Amino acid sequence: NAGVTQTPKFQVLKTGQSMTLQCAQDMNHNSMYWYRQDPGMGLRLIYYSASEGTTDKGEVPNGYNVSRLNKREFSLRLESAAPSQTSVYFCASSESVWGVYVNTEAFFGQGTRLTVV
Amino acid sequence: AQKITQTQPGMFVQEKEAVTLDCTYDTSDQSYGLFWYKQPSSGEMIFLIYQGSYDEQNATEGRYSLNFQKARKSANLVISASQLGDSAMYFCAMRSAGGGADGLTFGKGTHLIIQP
Repeated sequence: NAGVTQTPKFQVLKTGQSMTLQCAQDMNHNSMYWYRQDPGMGLRLIYYSASEGTTDKGEVPNGYNVSRLNKREFSLRLESAAPSQTSVYFCASSESVWGVYVNTEAFFGQGTRLTVV
Repeated sequence: AQKITQTQPGMFVQEKEAVTLDCTYDTSDQSYGLFWYKQPSSGEMIFLIYQGSYDEQNATEGRYSLNFQKARKSANLVISASQLGDSAMYFCAMRSAGGGADGLTFGKGTHLIIQP
């Protein structure tokens, strides 16, 4: 099983360039997420999508846009990359929270290491 | 707003000893879940264990157990009989059913090093 697949694994951008990080999951999950991980900061939520056609901001959305293309795919776009966006980016998916049940772990992709120079 | 606090940036432990990684959380929601993830040096995020806010018994998964003290808002991870392969970053995280933003809220992590 592939689980959550992210592309690319590594990327170097120049300041001002744009790029799209791709993510696809094959677990039929409704919920998908983009996180960034910076040294000493843990993972922080950028955007999430509770279902196809919906997206919402997380903790650190500035400088990013997202698209939930279909149930499987959730992309993250940097329109004008800045050095502050140098980070490791993780895509994740999980079952939706239903009622009081939150016992659904998130499954993560392998991460994309992005450097903006 | 939810918050996860991990107060141990790094820990050194002798192989075969038990390890306790601390995690405290803050939320006003009644229904929530607490998760622990392991991140080895290769970078992937590996789910270890889950505890629900309504679960009366502490969760266990093999050598991992979660010491859940709801009144103290703590969810410590206990690793019994540590192994060299346990060396990694460990993250405590929380997800709520409270209707706010979905997704996991993570702590800053604990870097665990197991020494032979």
